[in-house]
Amino acid sequence: GENVEQHPSTLSVQEGDSAVIKCTYSDSASNYFPWYKQELGKGPQLIIDIRSNVGEKKDQRIAVTLNKTAKHFSLHITETQPEDSAVYFCAASKWGTALIFGKGTTLSVSS
Amino acid sequence: EAGVAQSPRYKIIEKRQSVAFWCNPISGHATLYWYQQILGQGPKLLIQFQNNGVVDDSQLPKDRFSAERLKGVDSTLKIQPAKLEDSAVYLCASSPGQDEQYFGPGTRLTVT
Repeated sequence: GENVEQHPSTLSVQEGDSAVIKCTYSDSASNYFPWYKQELGKGPQLIIDIRSNVGEKKDQRIAVTLNKTAKHFSLHITETQPEDSAVYFCAASKWGTALIFGKGTTLSVSS
Repeated sequence: EAGVAQSPRYKIIEKRQSVAFWCNPISGHATLYWYQQILGQGPKLLIQFQNNGVVDDSQLPKDRFSAERLKGVDSTLKIQPAKLEDSAVYLCASSPGQDEQYFGPGTRLTVT
């Protein structure tokens, strides 16, 4: 079955710096790759996603890239702010199936 | 639009007791998921419904966990009897189609 690896497990940056989180997946049939932000005591919030027919997607300060050949995808956050501090999860799925999540990255943005 | 609703938000029970969680998905979403999130890990699927039918329950510990989605709208997840290792956050998610999933706030279960 699908396996998703996520790195790093923790990431500390200064306010205004960029943050990059990387994930790899094992099942070449996976075609949907969302990223979630989870704050303490809350459920995961979908922040951006990418499908296998697209190589890159951007939404304001957040961008995601996908390399299907290498089976990896990355989240890029630019101009980080303290409110970006949270746990970020990558996930992968095939059409109509449940998400397989990575183990999460704890991002800390210090001002 | 209203998000996914879950209740209760917190529950503390003793081992061997039973507990039930409730989820109301986003209106019109046909697909509903229950995930278990153990502290420090990503969510893991327990069961997936499409309308009121089960699509995937391969990872549901059926000797103690059960779930239903009557009328294809809200859903309940039950654990009976609970074990210490069931302590986790139980997340409900719904999807309007085949991929995007929106999560509720979760129910934090502590088994003592």
